[in-house]
Amino acid sequence: QSVLTQPPSASGTPGQRVTISCSGSSSNIGSNYVYWYQQLPGTAPKLLIYRNNQRPSGVPDRFSGSKSGTSASLAISGLRSEDEADYYCAAWDDSLSASMVFGGGTKLTVL
Amino acid sequence: QVQLQESGPGLVKPSETLSLTCTVSGGSISSYYWSWIRQPAGKGLEWIGRIYTSGSTNYNPSLKSRVTMSVDTSKNQFSLKLSSVTAADTAVYYCARMDLSGYGMDVWGQGTTVTVSS
Repeated sequence: QSVLTQPPSASGTPGQRVTISCSGSSSNIGSNYVYWYQQLPGTAPKLLIYRNNQRPSGVPDRFSGSKSGTSASLAISGLRSEDEADYYCAAWDDSLSASMVFGGGTKLTVL
Repeated sequence: QVQLQESGPGLVKPSETLSLTCTVSGGSISSYYWSWIRQPAGKGLEWIGRIYTSGSTNYNPSLKSRVTMSVDTSKNQFSLKLSSVTAADTAVYYCARMDLSGYGMDVWGQGTTVTVSS
């Protein structure tokens, strides 16, 4: 299983606010930045949030990230049908063999 | 803007070595970390490793014994070799540029499917 833990699924109706959680440990989320990626069906992932809460140019401010201790969250407000996608969190892990670790992904369905 | 394109065989026999190349266009390969990530069909993302343009590498501990990454700055390319492949290595393989912090992947290739089968 994945080093970072995400719920496998989430859902909401258009206009709603949804949050996706990502739980880790002191060696990853607890001591490093969290990144979020959006993967639309059949496409490559896209960087959505970097350094816990920063949005790359072009990402709508409906998307926001936060981190507290060894957990992080992605919030999507004003949900739209085009937000239906898989969302992955990631962080560097400082354990014996330093590497990037991902969450298992959360499939967001817009009802 | 920077674009990445993966290339390599789409079919590899079990026990052989998977070899992929990522060509960087629209910008220089220098002064960045470059990563490989894979995704089996219907499953999540798995980070394989990263290489800096100096040749310094970090690999996923679970794949470290089988992975080799290299970079050719003269060709603006970097490469992945994964040895002793099995069916479990069948996946879409992505290359990506890591941002200036070295930890976020801000530019991705479209991905290439590699199937391990005899």
